Amino acid sequence: QKEVEQNSGPLSVPEGAIASLNCTYSDRGSQSFFWYRQYSGKSPELIMSIYSNGDKEDGRFTAQLNKASQYVSLLIRDSQPSDSATYLCAVGGQFYFGTGTSLTVIP
Amino acid sequence: SQTIHQWPATLVQPVGSPLSLECTVEGTSNPNLYWYRQAAGRGLQLLFYSVGIGQISSEVPQNLSASRPQDRQFILSSKKLLLSDSGFYLCAWSSLAYADTQYFGPGTRLTVL
Repeated sequence: QKEVEQNSGPLSVPEGAIASLNCTYSDRGSQSFFWYRQYSGKSPELIMSIYSNGDKEDGRFTAQLNKASQYVSLLIRDSQPSDSATYLCAVGGQFYFGTGTSLTVIP
Repeated sequence: SQTIHQWPATLVQPVGSPLSLECTVEGTSNPNLYWYRQAAGRGLQLLFYSVGIGQISSEVPQNLSASRPQDRQFILSSKKLLLSDSGFYLCAWSSLAYADTQYFGPGTRLTVL
């Protein structure tokens, strides 16, 4: 059974802080990893994809991948209230999703 | 640019009634298409995926079925709804070139009473 696990949250951070979201996966052969943001009542929207070990930065978002540890994370710098949402980690191939981490950014 | 549509946006149906949800994609050809269900407070569950017209793979045995009558059209159906079918139904697409990257439609919220 392939699994994707995320820190359950909910996570609250003050505005301007760094939010750290974590995800582990069970399939060692997985090659592609994705972070989606889902606002309440809306569909998931793709934030970032990462395929290689290390960091990938896009604006205030940084995805980190460590295949040896089967770990992928998402850092959100200078968190804004508009970042308040549920963040879903997904593993490509057969596309397994974690259950999501709810993030609240407090003004 | 590519656009994915789903309808209806919301639906309230009695137990035992039939279901038909539709998804269409614009701006791309030969997309891979997916149906997911998200139950309240839970993660996404892949129900069906399709790599071409008439080609459907089922991930979870249940009372739902899917069809792909046209290249960019994907339909989710049921002959008799159960209470447990309530949830948020999401259609997604990916391209052949970047099959791992999925993009979601706006979703259909189904309540079975």
